[in-house]
Amino acid sequence: ELKVEQNPLFLSMQEGKNYTIYCNYSTTSDRLYWYRQDPGKSLESLFVLLSNGAVKQEGRLMASLDTKARLSTLHITAAVHDLSATYFCAVENSGNTPLVFGKGTRLSVIA
Amino acid sequence: NAGVMQNPRHLVRRRGQEARLRCSPMKGHSHVYWYRQLPEEGLKFMVYLQKENIIDESGMPKERFSAEFPKEGPSILRIQQVVRGDSAAYFCASSRQGSETQYFGPGTRLLVL
Repeated sequence: ELKVEQNPLFLSMQEGKNYTIYCNYSTTSDRLYWYRQDPGKSLESLFVLLSNGAVKQEGRLMASLDTKARLSTLHITAAVHDLSATYFCAVENSGNTPLVFGKGTRLSVIA
Repeated sequence: NAGVMQNPRHLVRRRGQEARLRCSPMKGHSHVYWYRQLPEEGLKFMVYLQKENIIDESGMPKERFSAEFPKEGPSILRIQQVVRGDSAAYFCASSRQGSETQYFGPGTRLLVL
């Protein structure tokens, strides 16, 4: 059974600082997603990572994937308040489409 | 191009009543997925449907829950005889094909009194 673990689950960081969120998964997967969720809202797709060594960047967020280690990271550079949200990684089972989600990382960026 | 639509956005039911949640996928998408999110938790897969077919219902509780995606009209997630533990946000996602990016709707927040 595919399991997805994120850490940390809660993260409070100062504006301007850098930090990394980690996502480990337990079995081989075809693809990995990062989503953002604001309170009471739906999920916004941030990144889709398809292959080992994939790296994608959008603004202050950069995601990478190491399929050998079964690890993805979401790196935040020079955080700003607008990045405050909950970030989920989700992994697609190999040959099966339902996504398995981590518990999410609740990020709070403070001045 | 409208995104995934869900209605109602909020639904209040008393214990024992029925809840019907609707999901209209994005235009051109024929694959629909339902997920449930409990407070402070990630999303848990419930059921995956393609037009008129249930592909995978491994995450669906065996009793009281059912889902359909008819040839015409939205996908429906139906919960009979609701209990307090059914209170959650229910999200629908759609994709053009299986194994493609899933786009999520705004969710239906169900509260059972």
